[in-house]
Amino acid sequence: GNSVTQMEGPVTLSEEAFLTINCTYTATGYPSLFWYVQYPGEGLQLLLKATKADDKGSNKGFEATYRKETTSFHLEKGSVQVSDSAVYFCALSEALGGGGSQGNLIFGKGTKLSVKP
Amino acid sequence: GAVVSQHPSWVICKSGTSVKIECRSLDFQATTMFWYRQFPKQSLMLMATSNEGSKATYEQGVEKDKFLINHASLTLSTLTVTSAHPEDSSFYICSARDRGGALKGYTFGSGTRLTVV
Repeated sequence: GNSVTQMEGPVTLSEEAFLTINCTYTATGYPSLFWYVQYPGEGLQLLLKATKADDKGSNKGFEATYRKETTSFHLEKGSVQVSDSAVYFCALSEALGGGGSQGNLIFGKGTKLSVKP
Repeated sequence: GAVVSQHPSWVICKSGTSVKIECRSLDFQATTMFWYRQFPKQSLMLMATSNEGSKATYEQGVEKDKFLINHASLTLSTLTVTSAHPEDSSFYICSARDRGGALKGYTFGSGTRLTVV
């Protein structure tokens, strides 16, 4: 079945450091890929998404490129801030229309990021 | 942008009682609603998927008689935890998707922290 694997945390960085959170997926067909962020005590917020191979999603300085050849969607940011401290979830949405799928999101286990001043 | 209002944000109840969690889509029609459960330091586990006007589809291992889901309108879905026990204590999050499907994205509620004592 479809699955998402992301690097385990916690990840602790100093402010202005470079961030990479690895995410790889297993899926049939052509899923859409997402990164969600969860701040302490809150629900999930969509950070960025990509719907087809070679698409790059970007938002708030974060980027991720849909790499079909490596089945990856790694999250990167050139210079993190303390306010980026949160849990980041990689997710995929199964392609609708095949096998009766309702297109629900499948999440990785999440990676906690702590940024120190 | 799309907003899903989830209430209550936290609730403490006695063992054996029932708790209802509501999710309302404020500015779009939530044709499909997903209910997730999140254990501490773990990812979101999909509990069930509901389409407006039809019975929910539960994931394997989720007791449908314990976690009652109602999706009677395009803007409201409820999850009722019946006869709650301490092991039901968790963070519950809803996610709504409109007719645009995966390409239009999913909107999450802010979550409900349930503590059963």
